Amino acid sequence: QQQVKQSPQSLIVQKGGISIINCAYENTAFDYFPWYQQFPGKGPALLIAIRPDVSEKKEGRFTISFNKSAKQFSLHIMDSQPGDSATYFCAASMGNDMRFGAGTRLTVKP
Amino acid sequence: GAGVSQSPRYKVAKRGQDVALRCDPISGHVSLFWYQQALGQGPEFLTYFQNEAQLDKSGLPSDRFFAERPEGSVSTLKIQRTQQEDSAVYLCASSPRPGNRAGNTIYFGEGSWLTVV
Repeated sequence: QQQVKQSPQSLIVQKGGISIINCAYENTAFDYFPWYQQFPGKGPALLIAIRPDVSEKKEGRFTISFNKSAKQFSLHIMDSQPGDSATYFCAASMGNDMRFGAGTRLTVKP
Repeated sequence: GAGVSQSPRYKVAKRGQDVALRCDPISGHVSLFWYQQALGQGPEFLTYFQNEAQLDKSGLPSDRFFAERPEGSVSTLKIQRTQQEDSAVYLCASSPRPGNRAGNTIYFGEGSWLTVV
């Protein structure tokens, strides 16, 4: 059962552009929504996270927008750089259980 | 080292063979998770330990999968009678406090890549 749906599957952005990745979840019991960045051959690394009582969180070039009523959240990467090229996973968590989206492969062209 | 360490990094097993995958979490971390990541997919939860107690094993796909963390530190994921569908990356993660909560950052290892032929 896919509890977290992520789109797009892949994304190509020019350097300096904005990358936007969207996720939707089903279970309203989720109470923590992290985003992970994964480079080839490496494990996922926490990028930024949000709780459902906040509608937006910004850390540097990365922003999460959260819409609790729509059960949707998104990652915005401003001024995208070639070094941002990686696979990004959204996740939704409650207790010990964390469910991941299928991932978005981002390519930032120089 | 300072991070989560997993071994072996790569394992090729013949169908029917048993395998054991090791995870050394960050020292002092209470929580330890195992995830399975198929090619091109997100990680899927397998099991969770809080210290030596296995509190959640709901994600283990069959009784061929077994995990332990006997002293609350190193963990081993064992897969018996491996099958081709077991081919995946097995990720271990640890965190300093219990559960998946805000402020309790989970650190992943680089994974053990298992190929069953």
